[in-house]
Parts: sequence; structure tokens; C-alpha cells
Amino acid sequence: NAGVTQTPKFQVLKTGQSMTLQCAQDMNHEYMSWYRQDPGMGLRLIHYSVGAGITDQGEVPNGYNVSRSTTEDFPLRLLSAAPSQTSVYFCASSYSVRGVAGELFFGEGSRLTVL
Amino acid sequence: QKEVEQDPGPLSVPEGAIVSLNCTYSNSAFQYFMWYRQYSRKGPELLMYTYSSGNKEDGRFTAQVDKSSKYISLFIRDSQPSDSATYLCAMRVLQYGQNFVFGPGTRLSVLP
Repeated sequence: NAGVTQTPKFQVLKTGQSMTLQCAQDMNHEYMSWYRQDPGMGLRLIHYSVGAGITDQGEVPNGYNVSRSTTEDFPLRLLSAAPSQTSVYFCASSYSVRGVAGELFFGEGSRLTVL
Repeated sequence: QKEVEQDPGPLSVPEGAIVSLNCTYSNSAFQYFMWYRQYSRKGPELLMYTYSSGNKEDGRFTAQVDKSSKYISLFIRDSQPSDSATYLCAMRVLQYGQNFVFGPGTRLSVLP
């Protein structure tokens, strides 16, 4: 099983550029989410989805956009990259019961640097 | 005050030592508690989870929850160099719209 797959693993952007981080899971999980991890800050939730066609904002959504057209995929779009978005991004998925997620399964992460 | 506090370390111990990792939290509504292990440049992986106060054991690992003190712990017995990683606590309210809250992680080094 591949689990949660994230691409790309590394990316360097210039300020103002846009890009999409891809996330795919093969566990038929309803719940998917994006986190960013910064030193001393822990994992902070950006956006999440409890099923295809349903998305919602997390703790730090500004500057990011998501969509969920299929159960398997949950891409994260950076609309106009800023140096403050330099971080490691993790996609995570989970089974859910009535929209309440269980244990999270994480991808390997995508390291983004914005110059 | 952050919702979940965790000493970032680093914590260095000799091989074979008992390790105690701790988190405190402020939200008394948290019902579901987890510990994740994260190796360098990897994603977090779930170690243990529990819903209730008390102890839960899995091999060399014991998770302890004290809801009255808002305090959770992870004990590692007979620590090994392969246990060297960052340990993240996470917790949540089991309710739609409520999400996981993570501690910043404690970096552990087990020296051979």
C-alpha cells in the first residue's frame, strides 16, 4: 500500500509565484487535511475535507486554496507565494465517523522554500 | 497560553534508560489523546492513542493520561538508539468541526 503520497518532495519558488502541492491516498479515507510544520510551532492545520466536495478552513488558511473533487486527491494551492510560506507541508488522511476523524496517517512531507 | 504545551528538548539519554515525555493542555474538553513519532525528514507516524484516563501499554511504550491534571505522558522503557526522533503529542475533542491540536514536539536522542 502506498498510503499517503505527496509530490513534490522539494520545491523552491520566487515570491509571487503560484504552485500546487499534490496529495493522494489509496486507503479510501473520507477525511483529508493539510498541515504546515515550522520550528517550535508544531503542526498547524491549513485546510481539511470530510469528503468529496466538502472543504473547510483550519487554523492558518490565508494564502492557500484547496478543492476535493475525488475521495483520493486533495491538492493544496499557493496562490501568490510569500517568504512566510516557507515551511514543510504535510498531507494527512483518516477514516471518519459522521465527519469526525480518527487517527491521522501522514505523507512524507513537501519542503517548500520561497525566496 | 498555547492549548498544548510540550518541552521541545532536546533530551539526550543513554541506551537502556527509561524516557518520560510529557504534554500539558488547557482545554478540558479534549477526549482523544495520541502520540506520534517523527524521524528526521519524515512524516509523523502514530505510536499510541487512548480515549480515557489511566495507562495504556504497547510493548516498550506506555501512554498515561491524567484528565484531572490535564497532563499526558509517554514512557519508553529500555530505550534504543532507533527511538531517537521527535515525539509529538496530539489531542482533540470528538466533535464535528473540532480538529487535532498538536504539541510542538520533543526531540529525543538515545546514545549508544
